[in-house]
Amino acid sequence: AQSVTQLGSHVSVSEGALVLLRCNYSSSVPPYLFWYVQYPNQGLQLLLKYTSAATLVKGINGFEAEFKKSETSFHLTKPSAHMSDAAEYFCAVSVPGASDTGRRALTFGSGTRLQVQP
Amino acid sequence: DSGVTQTPKHLITATGQRVTLRCSPRSGDLSVYWYQQSLDQGLQFLIQYYNGEERAKGNILERFSAQQFPDLHSELNLSSLELGDSALYFCASSVGIGTSTDTQYFGPGTRLTVL
Repeated sequence: AQSVTQLGSHVSVSEGALVLLRCNYSSSVPPYLFWYVQYPNQGLQLLLKYTSAATLVKGINGFEAEFKKSETSFHLTKPSAHMSDAAEYFCAVSVPGASDTGRRALTFGSGTRLQVQP
Repeated sequence: DSGVTQTPKHLITATGQRVTLRCSPRSGDLSVYWYQQSLDQGLQFLIQYYNGEERAKGNILERFSAQQFPDLHSELNLSSLELGDSALYFCASSVGIGTSTDTQYFGPGTRLTVL
């Protein structure tokens, strides 16, 4: 079974500083990997996804993530944090379904709450 | 706005009761997924429907059931409610059955409080 581990339930950075949110996955088959963001009292919004093409994935709002198979990691970065980036971030993995080649549900990590200090 | 709508936004009920949560997927999306987000369990997949048929099942309790109707909206039925069922329930939709081109778009959620 697949799983996702997000290191650090809370991360605090200063405005303008580098954002690094860590995600490690476990999967016996090539995974698809996702980062979602959840703003307070809202649903989840897709930031970016990796689906076995380029290992460096660029997403919305200046975020990017790099798939590193040797490290089983998919860390999320942003060069310069903005106050508006304060939210909860979820890493997720999906793998092929058992009965066909379709991919099924997302397995989410426990989330990382990002605080941005002025 | 993802285009996925969920009603109601909030629901407060008592233990032992039954509730129905409703989800309308984005126009053109055939798959609907239900997720539960709680403080102790995090975000967990419950069930997926594709074009009216159940396609995948996750950690869904037997007291819970779902269906997808011909117009592709979906309902999640929760019965014999317990305090521990209090959570945020999300619906997501995608175009296909779950391929590399599929992206799941999430609705705003229904917050269920069981007293």
